[in-house]
Amino acid sequence: GAVVSQHPSWVICKSGTSVKIECRSLDFQATTMFWYRQFPKQSLMLMATSNEGSKATYEQGVEKDKFLINHASLTLSTLTVTSAHPEDSSFYICSARGGGGVQTQYFGPGTRLLVL
Amino acid sequence: LAKTTQPISMDSYEGQEVNITCSHNNIATNDYITWYQQFPSQGPRFIIQGYKTKVTNEVASLFIPADRKSSTLSLPRVSLSDTAVYYCLVGDSNTGGFKTIFGAGTRLFVKA
Repeated sequence: GAVVSQHPSWVICKSGTSVKIECRSLDFQATTMFWYRQFPKQSLMLMATSNEGSKATYEQGVEKDKFLINHASLTLSTLTVTSAHPEDSSFYICSARGGGGVQTQYFGPGTRLLVL
Repeated sequence: LAKTTQPISMDSYEGQEVNITCSHNNIATNDYITWYQQFPSQGPRFIIQGYKTKVTNEVASLFIPADRKSSTLSLPRVSLSDTAVYYCLVGDSNTGGFKTIFGAGTRLFVKA
């Protein structure tokens, strides 16, 4: 149990285009989802936290108009990188946790984004 | 949020027991301790979670002293495939404000 999927697993796009990444909790309802970014040889950096049906809460320094997050259902959150630039190239990882009690975060496999 | 401190890297040999200690001096009463394993280009994988004393599952044990200011992840008889980065995280799973901040992690290298 506790499986989180991401799609796509990798994407290459041209500078200026927008890219959408999906995160799904496959066997549990995720009241909260998180989006992280990870650069090579570095730790995960939390970008934003989203609760189902609410606006996402962004970490300091993360542009909310550039990284659009939608958590429309208890099993799906999307991250859209708008007007992507080469510096947005990174490994994007989502995680999800259920509600109530002691809940563990489970992570997706990640999405590799390369902006040319 | 409680900050965590771990050794940057550790080396071990196949078949040995590996203990990775994490310091979290500012842990709050409601905080749980969770360990994750991450391989290159993959998302972190949950290993074990605990609140106090000792927790054991099929892959690891987690030792937490009474003051809860540190915790030790114990991996019995490591193999080459255990080479990865291990993260210790501290957070309150019981409130809506819970979020996970990753520290630098410990890079474990298992040698033959």
